[in-house]
Amino acid sequence: QKEVEQNSGPLSVPEGAIASLNCTYSDRGSQSFFWYRQYSGKSPELIMFIYSNGDKEDGRFTAQLNKASQYVSLLIRDSQPSDSATYLCAVSRGTSYGKLTFGQGTILTVHP
Amino acid sequence: SQTIHQWPATLVQPVGSPLSLECTVEGTSNPNLYWYRQAAGRGLQLLFYSVGIGQISSEVPQNLSASRPQDRQFILSSKKLLLSDSGFYLCAWSSLSSGSAWETQYFGPGTRLLVL
Repeated sequence: QKEVEQNSGPLSVPEGAIASLNCTYSDRGSQSFFWYRQYSGKSPELIMFIYSNGDKEDGRFTAQLNKASQYVSLLIRDSQPSDSATYLCAVSRGTSYGKLTFGQGTILTVHP
Repeated sequence: SQTIHQWPATLVQPVGSPLSLECTVEGTSNPNLYWYRQAAGRGLQLLFYSVGIGQISSEVPQNLSASRPQDRQFILSSKKLLLSDSGFYLCAWSSLSSGSAWETQYFGPGTRLLVL
């Protein structure tokens, strides 16, 4: 079992729809959870992070965490073609060296 | 604000040649530094991380090595490149003083390496 699993996609949604990206993790000691966006040929950029169970909203993005189910998701409202990218989920155990374990990423395509 | 630089941006090297990739961070002190490799269509593989000058931890055995000669400088090296070393090399930093979740990693622009 992979430590962090994501559906590789591609996930295709129409412009204006809600895109839902999912991530599961195996380590129950995980403390912090991150979502990164990576455009083709570019480096990953942070979208948001979440620590606590529940929802965290930032603009069109909402991260949802359920530690009991070991599940974290990212919702993108009013999806735009510019949201088309690979979305990486990352998990941290909160150690002093700040190591993150990344999933393989989900490719999202938003079509006009 | 903090900035991370990597160079070169692209590199084409023959098999068996040496490698040196450099990463520098500005605007923060005593960051944690990381080297990742991303093969085409694949996820991020952590290669090395460093919590201070001269302190290097290796995540996977390979023909690569890393060094941290200064607080904000991280170097990835190889004495002899293999075809399998081709990929997108990313340097990242994190810091207690980043103003964000302290484990948040911020990535440099990356170096695309092609070994022929």
